[in-house]
Amino acid sequence: GAVVSQHPSWVICKSGTSVKIECRSLDFQATTMFWYRQFPKQSLMLMATSNEGSKATYEQGVEKDKFLINHASLTLSTLTVTSAHPEDSSFYICSAAGVHKAGELFFGEGSRLTVL
Amino acid sequence: AQKVTQAQTEISVVEKEDVTLDCVYETRDTTYYLFWYKQPPSGELVFLIRRNSFDEQNEISGRYSWNFQKSTSSFNFTITASQVVDSAVYFCALISGSSYKLIFGSGTRLLVRP
Repeated sequence: GAVVSQHPSWVICKSGTSVKIECRSLDFQATTMFWYRQFPKQSLMLMATSNEGSKATYEQGVEKDKFLINHASLTLSTLTVTSAHPEDSSFYICSAAGVHKAGELFFGEGSRLTVL
Repeated sequence: AQKVTQAQTEISVVEKEDVTLDCVYETRDTTYYLFWYKQPPSGELVFLIRRNSFDEQNEISGRYSWNFQKSTSSFNFTITASQVVDSAVYFCALISGSSYKLIFGSGTRLLVRP
């Protein structure tokens, strides 16, 4: 299957700093990418949908100024957590939709963010 | 509205037992896709199966089998002869209509004891 890579896998940062997480589709063009957040022992919650070349669409309750999403190319989307706080500590997972098959999604390995 | 319900929060079985994880979905769309993912302690999501709404055939893959029943809006997952390595959180998920938005259930934590 197709490969989606996330970087970094783990990140620890100080409160108030910004953290960027990258999501790359390695062997296919991803017209749409999704960002999910997962708190411990909870399900994955969709944060936003990112389409290449256009603004991301955020789910209700997700602050777009805090979670900046950029999808500048068909193989890369980035999520920047700005002015991170301890409550932003979570597991962030991206997924990418290719143009090959309807309903086919590929997930990255996830990025665990800890804000001290 | 779309929704996925996994009523079983945690299941604990002894190795070699069979176990069924339940999944009930809601959607008004006639075209949709159902998924099962496994999330081991390491966190990554492991894709197990995708089924579209027009294919109600049950599927078997090794020790895994899936029972899709549109009449009851269910897509249950059975592990036969469970093993310790099957211990993980399992998520059922839904993509509905023309959207690629994947709606996850709350997950079922499976613990297989030796």
